[in-house]
Amino acid sequence: EVQLLESGGGLVQPGGSLRLSCAASGFTFNTFAMTWVRQAPGKGLEWVSGISSGAGSIYYADSVKGRFTISRENSKNTLYLQMDSLRVEDTAVYYCAKGDSSTYRRGDRFDPWGQGTLVTVSS
Amino acid sequence: DFQMTQSPSSLSASVGDRVTITCRASQSISTFLNWYQHKPGKAPNLLIYAASSLQSGVPSRFSGSGSGTDFTLTISSLQPEDFATYYCQQSYSTPRTFGPGTRVDI
Repeated sequence: EVQLLESGGGLVQPGGSLRLSCAASGFTFNTFAMTWVRQAPGKGLEWVSGISSGAGSIYYADSVKGRFTISRENSKNTLYLQMDSLRVEDTAVYYCAKGDSSTYRRGDRFDPWGQGTLVTVSS
Repeated sequence: DFQMTQSPSSLSASVGDRVTITCRASQSISTFLNWYQHKPGKAPNLLIYAASSLQSGVPSRFSGSGSGTDFTLTISSLQPEDFATYYCQQSYSTPRTFGPGTRVDI
């Protein structure tokens, strides 16, 4: 069974940093692209970042570009999201999701998703 | 970027009702459109991919249609476990974008 387990969320002050992890199991992690999506309180889903299986292709939403860094450690079956210069508007539940191929290709889909980890940015 | 809109933003329905949610893209995305169901405190769940293909394990009462800019998610007979928020998402280009969601409640 494919499982994704996010961790690393918590309370951080504006301007601070946090690193999220997504531990994957049940599939060959190094052959699939991965994605981070977030949901702010009372809001909808927002795509944050994506990475190909070998990390050769990386994508970011404009809202986080230059502040967030996605990476993966295939030997540990783990996806990361390094979040720097955090803002109040980054407060959200962050989900990781598995892609359906090694690349971020047209027509791909996110399945399954993890349960999410809450990040709260507040003074 | 491709903007996605959905209507209605929310609806109230009863068990057994037929429910239709529409999604519109700001530009043509062919059939590169996915639908997800999201319940509070749970992981979002893929229902439909490529506009009309049913994801494995998803009940057949869910169906999708459309191409270009206009898409529809239909629940043929609403069940108690279907009360949730539904999102469309384009997979035509990066950044991937989601619609604002349609909340379905009793």
